[in-house]
Amino acid sequence: GQNIDQPTEMTATEGAIVQINCTYQTSGFNGLFWYQQHAGEAPTFLSYNVLDGLEEKGRFSSFLSRSKGYSYLLLKELQMKDSASYLCAVKSNAGNMLTFGGGTRLMVKP
Amino acid sequence: DSGVTQTPKHLITATGQRVTLRCSPRSGDLSVYWYQQSLDQGLQFLIQYYNGEERAKGNILERFSAQQFPDLHSELNLSSLELGDSALYFCASSAGTGWGNEQFFGPGTRLTVL
Repeated sequence: GQNIDQPTEMTATEGAIVQINCTYQTSGFNGLFWYQQHAGEAPTFLSYNVLDGLEEKGRFSSFLSRSKGYSYLLLKELQMKDSASYLCAVKSNAGNMLTFGGGTRLMVKP
Repeated sequence: DSGVTQTPKHLITATGQRVTLRCSPRSGDLSVYWYQQSLDQGLQFLIQYYNGEERAKGNILERFSAQQFPDLHSELNLSSLELGDSALYFCASSAGTGWGNEQFFGPGTRLTVL
């Protein structure tokens, strides 16, 4: 089975940097995904890590340590529109299914 | 717009009824996934189809069933509906089943069971 933990809520200030952590325990790891989801809307893909290290994509970066079962999503130069839920998901090597964490609701304040 | 379409957008029905949710994957994608998102459960994987065949099963109730047709669209059938089935149901698609294949999510169907 798989167990994924991430903080329920975070608050940050516009223009600042925020790091959202995710820890996981899995019986078969085949990659870790981060998705952004605005309330009532579909999740949209942000990043994917399968090897250890940092992946950078503009204002968003994601880090993975497989030995520690740990990932984080780093958001820089926060904007009000970044207020959303951020979902950490682990892909099993048995099929292509994603197991999602409960999501971290980020509130960006002026 | 992810390219994945779902109909209907909203569905309101009564307990005990049966409904069908429809999903069309992105052009060229062979894999379709169904997820349920309720307020207290988060996003839960239900079932996956690849090129017409069931590939993986998650926490899908026996009252629920799905299929993928030759044109690759998929339907999720929910029967004997209960109040607790009220949720957002998302369909996602990907090109294949290998690692790195990103899943693209449709806009979802909001099901309300009264």
